[in-house]
Parts: sequence; C-alpha cells; structure tokens
Amino acid sequence: DAKTTQPPSMDCAEGRAANLPCNHSTISGNEYVYWYRQIHSQGPQYIIHGLKNNETNEMASLIITEDRKSSTLILPHATLRDTAVYYCIVRVLYNTDKLIFGTGTRLQVFP
Amino acid sequence: KAGVTQTPRYLIKTRGQQVTLSCSPISGHRSVSWYQQTPGQGLQFLFEYFSETQRNKGNFPGRFSGRQFSNSRSEMNVSTLELGDSALYLCASSLRQGEEAFFGQGTRLTVV
Repeated sequence: DAKTTQPPSMDCAEGRAANLPCNHSTISGNEYVYWYRQIHSQGPQYIIHGLKNNETNEMASLIITEDRKSSTLILPHATLRDTAVYYCIVRVLYNTDKLIFGTGTRLQVFP
Repeated sequence: KAGVTQTPRYLIKTRGQQVTLSCSPISGHRSVSWYQQTPGQGLQFLFEYFSETQRNKGNFPGRFSGRQFSNSRSEMNVSTLELGDSALYLCASSLRQGEEAFFGQGTRLTVV
C-alpha cells in the first residue's frame, strides 16, 4: 500500500472550514483514498473515500488532485466535537480490509 | 442498528497469562479485522477474517491468534502475555471484504 504524509497537527477556529492535507505521491491507479478520524479513546470512525473525483457526504468533502498525488479533507464548519486525529489512508478496494494507519493529523478546534 | 460490540471494555491481566477478546460485528457484516493501538506504535493491523478464514495477518508473533465463527463473531487470543501487550485492541467489521470498515470502541488491556 502507498504511504501517506500528513502534518502532525493543525488548529481551526470553531465555525470555520478545516482543510486537512494529505500527500500520497506513490499512489497506484487502483488505490482509493480513505479518511478516518479517531476521537480520544474511541475507535476510528470512517469519514469518506474516493478514487479520483471529488466526493462529498454529510460529514465532509474530499478533494483529490488531478494527478492523484495529494488530497484534502474539508470539514466545512468545524465544531469542538471535530477535535480528533485524522488519518489519510490509501488502499485497494475490494481486496482486503487491512488499513495501514500513519501518524495522522491531530486537529484541535478551538472556540 | 447496533454497531460493532467488543467485550470486555477493560481488562487487567498478569504477565504470563492468556486473554481472549471478543468482537460482534454489525449484523450482516461478514468481514472482521483486528488492530492493536499503543502510544509508541500507533494503530497496527493484526489480522482479518472473512467467512471463518483468516485472509491476512500483520507482523505480530504467534502468541497472537484469532478466529471467526459461522455467525461472523470473532475472537482474538493472546497467550503468554507480556507487559508490551498492554494496548487498546480494536475490532472492525465491513459488509464485504474491502468495503469501509466500522470500528468498535475497543478493549483496553493492561498487563501488570
């Protein structure tokens, strides 16, 4: 699986958009980009995934660059409850459940 | 519907003992995977099961084992516990292998 690089930490004001970047320069053509988050002492929570088109759901938007070497997770209106560690993972779909977690980005949302 | 259920939530064991952790996947989910989370190593993949068969295994010693039952429930076992096995053990299930995984709250194991 391709490796990902994320900034270790970010801050965001409540109500503002949180933009979390992820580099995955060695991603293969059949690998998807997945985002999970982990709120302190809880199990990781699935957020969103995509292949090459931008994706949006009730939680977030995922913007993948045209060359697929990087992506950005956008939380449009961050709340205090969005404070968590966010993990960007690339994996082949329908092949395995194995997720390779990096160190993620610790997002702190402040009032 | 109910999420992934892991039991027990907390456990304290002594070095040398063995432990069994249980995971009940979301109803209808057939794929179960296990992870270990420690402050030093982060989240690491242990193994995954689909239709009672282990499909993939992480880089852990043979003391770590698991199984899946016909109802998709899964157990993992750690024998001859070491202090370094103290961790949060997480189970995740998915409808089919490779689809988005939903995690349980985990079992926090402390080895003393």
